[in-house]
Amino acid sequence: GDSVTQMEGPVTLSEEAFLTINCTYTATGYPSLFWYVQYPGEGLQLLLKATKADDKGSNKGFEATYRKETTSFHLEKGSVQVSDSAVYFCALSNQGGSEKLVFGKGTKLTVNP
Amino acid sequence: GAVVSQHPSWVICKSGTSVKIECRSLDFQATTMFWYRQFPKQSLMLMATSNEGSKATYEQGVEKDKFLINHASLTLSTLTVTSAHPEDSSFYICSAWGRGNSNQPQHFGDGTRLSIL
Repeated sequence: GDSVTQMEGPVTLSEEAFLTINCTYTATGYPSLFWYVQYPGEGLQLLLKATKADDKGSNKGFEATYRKETTSFHLEKGSVQVSDSAVYFCALSNQGGSEKLVFGKGTKLTVNP
Repeated sequence: GAVVSQHPSWVICKSGTSVKIECRSLDFQATTMFWYRQFPKQSLMLMATSNEGSKATYEQGVEKDKFLINHASLTLSTLTVTSAHPEDSSFYICSAWGRGNSNQPQHFGDGTRLSIL
């Protein structure tokens, strides 16, 4: 079945450091790929998405590129802030949004001032 | 933007009680709603998918008689945890998807933290 593997956390960085969270996937078709962010005690917020190969999703300084050849969707940010501290989930869906999301295990990011 | 409201956000109750959680789409018609469960420091696991006006489809291992899902309208789905026990304590999150734009992702509620004593 479909699956998502993302790097184990927790990740601790200093403010303004570069962030990479790796995500790879296994899927039978051509899924849409997502990054969601979860702040403490809250639900999930969509951070960015990409629906086809070579698409780049971006939002709030975060970027991820849909790499079909490596089945990857790594999340990057050039300069993290304390407010970026949260848990980040990589996910896929085979129908964009109308079918279930398959999530990775999540990566907790802590950014220290 | 689209908003999904989930209520209550936190509930504490005694073992044996049934608890109902509501999930509402506030500004779009949610043809499909999903219910996820999240254990501490773990990922979200899909429990069931519900389409408006039809019975929910449960994932393998999820007891449909334990977790009753109703999706009676295009803006409301409910999850009832029947005769809840301490092992049902968890964070439950709903999401909703609306027909009309196949590229739109699911929108999530803020979750309900259920604690069974």
